[in-house]
Amino acid sequence: AQSVTQLDSHVSVSEGTPVLLRCNYSSSYSPSLFWYVQHPNKGLQLLLKYTSAATLVKGINGFEAEFKKSETSFHLTKPSAHMSDAAEYFCVVSETDKLIFGTGTRLQVFP
Amino acid sequence: DARVTQTPRHKVTEMGQEVTMRCQPILGHNTVFWYRQTMMQGLELLAYFRNRAPLDDSGMPKDRFSAEMPDATLATLKIQPSEPRDSAVYFCASGLGQRNEKLFFGSGTQLSVL
Repeated sequence: AQSVTQLDSHVSVSEGTPVLLRCNYSSSYSPSLFWYVQHPNKGLQLLLKYTSAATLVKGINGFEAEFKKSETSFHLTKPSAHMSDAAEYFCVVSETDKLIFGTGTRLQVFP
Repeated sequence: DARVTQTPRHKVTEMGQEVTMRCQPILGHNTVFWYRQTMMQGLELLAYFRNRAPLDDSGMPKDRFSAEMPDATLATLKIQPSEPRDSAVYFCASGLGQRNEKLFFGSGTQLSVL
């Protein structure tokens, strides 16, 4: 069975410092992995996706994630946080056409 | 821009009343998902459809919830009778492709059952 674990429920950073949001997955097959972002009172928006091509995936707004099969991880990073990055971030795994969401990581960005 | 449209945006109702939430997927998308989001449980998959056929509704309480796609432009999620524990934000999402490599989410229906 597929599952995803987001290791931190909250992450706080200062504006201009790096962001690291951690995600580990469990999957029997070759999964597709995604990161979605949800801003307050909004729906979810796709940030980036991994679908067995390049292991380093670049997304929107300067985010990227690296697929590491040996570590079963798909951590999300950004070199320099911006105030507008404050939101909830969801790591998602999919083996077929059903997407399973993690519990989310709330990112706070302080000036 | 193409978008998934959900109505109503907000719904306040009393326990025991019927609630119907509607979703208009993006034209041409062939999969539709219903998710429920609460603080305690996060995002839970309730049901999903491919080409209007229900593929999985195991996440949905069958005694009170029902999901349908009367046509390709409309998906509905109905709760009858509603209970306070149903209070949540309900999201609809539509996608295309075998593995739904990109889902588009609606803005959600915020449901409060008093």
